[in-house]
Amino acid sequence: SQKIEQNSEALNIQEGKTATLTCNYTNYSPAYLQWYRQDPGRGPVFLLLIRENEKEKRKERLKVTFDTTLKQSLFHITASQPADSATYLCALDRRSNYQLIWGAGTKLIIKP
Amino acid sequence: DADVTQTPRNRITKTGKRIMLECSQTKGHDRMYWYRQDPGLGLQLIYYSFDVKDINKGEISDGYSVSRQAQAKFSLSLESAIPNQTALYFCATSDPRQGTYEQFFGPGTRLTVL
Repeated sequence: SQKIEQNSEALNIQEGKTATLTCNYTNYSPAYLQWYRQDPGRGPVFLLLIRENEKEKRKERLKVTFDTTLKQSLFHITASQPADSATYLCALDRRSNYQLIWGAGTKLIIKP
Repeated sequence: DADVTQTPRNRITKTGKRIMLECSQTKGHDRMYWYRQDPGLGLQLIYYSFDVKDINKGEISDGYSVSRQAQAKFSLSLESAIPNQTALYFCATSDPRQGTYEQFFGPGTRLTVL
């Protein structure tokens, strides 16, 4: 069955450093992958989408890579700030009906 | 004003009760979704609707039903609530015509079934 894995342990990063989060998937070939941010008690907020034919996507301090051979996406936040602390979710499409399969998310903590 | 709203924001109910969670959106999107979120698990799709006349079951629809009253309104019902339906429930919308396939979420409803 289709499976998405994100590191379940919280990631602690010093302010100013680059945070890198991982999303791995198996038994699947998505057409695109999305990253969302979720703050406690709130709904996820879309950050970036990367398509299967794209290797890298950037938006301000955010960068996403997509390796369809390794079945992995990396999400980077450069010059991290305490305000970047949140849970980050990855989601893959089902290639039909535009449904998404969601990872459980990784909690990122940026320490001042 | 929020684009996607959910009511109530919090609800405590007892086993066996019927409850309804409501979702409204002002984004003009045709597609609407209901998810539940449990600690340590990814969002799970309960039902989705591509327009008023098109409603589909998601991966965990048992024990739930939905109604799409209008393009802007999508309600989720628990016919007879049970404790393992205690979770955070989210409504979302999307409009693939925009080409990004991103989903826009409401603030969530925290449901507790005693």
